[in-house]
Amino acid sequence: DQQVKQNSPSLSVQEGRISILNCDYTNSMFDYFLWYKKYPAEGPTFLISISSIKDKNEDGRFTVFLNKSAKHLSLHIVPSQPGDSAVYFCAARSTSGTYKYIFGTGTRLKVLA
Amino acid sequence: DAGVIQSPRHEVTEMGQEVTLRCKLISGHNSLFWYRQTMMRGLELLIYFNNNVPIDDSGMPEDRFSAKMPNASFSTLKIQPSEPRDSAVYFCASTTYLNTGELFFGEGSRLTVL
Repeated sequence: DQQVKQNSPSLSVQEGRISILNCDYTNSMFDYFLWYKKYPAEGPTFLISISSIKDKNEDGRFTVFLNKSAKHLSLHIVPSQPGDSAVYFCAARSTSGTYKYIFGTGTRLKVLA
Repeated sequence: DAGVIQSPRHEVTEMGQEVTLRCKLISGHNSLFWYRQTMMRGLELLIYFNNNVPIDDSGMPEDRFSAKMPNASFSTLKIQPSEPRDSAVYFCASTTYLNTGELFFGEGSRLTVL
């Protein structure tokens, strides 16, 4: 069963507009959520995170929102730039025992110039 | 600063051969995770270690897969015998003792089994 889901495999956005990437989770034991960005032939790199006790975290053009009641996470990128074109993975950290990180299937973002 | 070094970067082998993927951690890292990236499943957790001890290997697809962490800075993922459906990119990742919450990934090992 997929505990972390990214239901949109791809997204295209015009340069300068907002990109919104979504993620849903099923496990209430997750205490920390992260977004990773991945370029071809490279490893995923950390982008931004949020603790389960918060509902928003902002870092420059990137903002992550957490809606615990809906078990929903979103990443907003504004303004979007062509260099943001990559695959974005949502991840959740489980607190049961030692830390365990579960990832979604990824969303491929294409920012059009 | 990747902190996680994987080898080989690319491996092409024939079905039935043994494959060994390696992961080296720069000092300061503690937990180690092996992931496999496929189109269908995204980043799939195979196994993870904490302080060199395997904690959860429920993601290992079959007995053909095995992983070891003989010391705090090195781990191997072995597939024996390999099959074409094992073709994927395998990532090693780790957390640090600073416990910032982030996972640091290596650049991955792309495996192709013919």
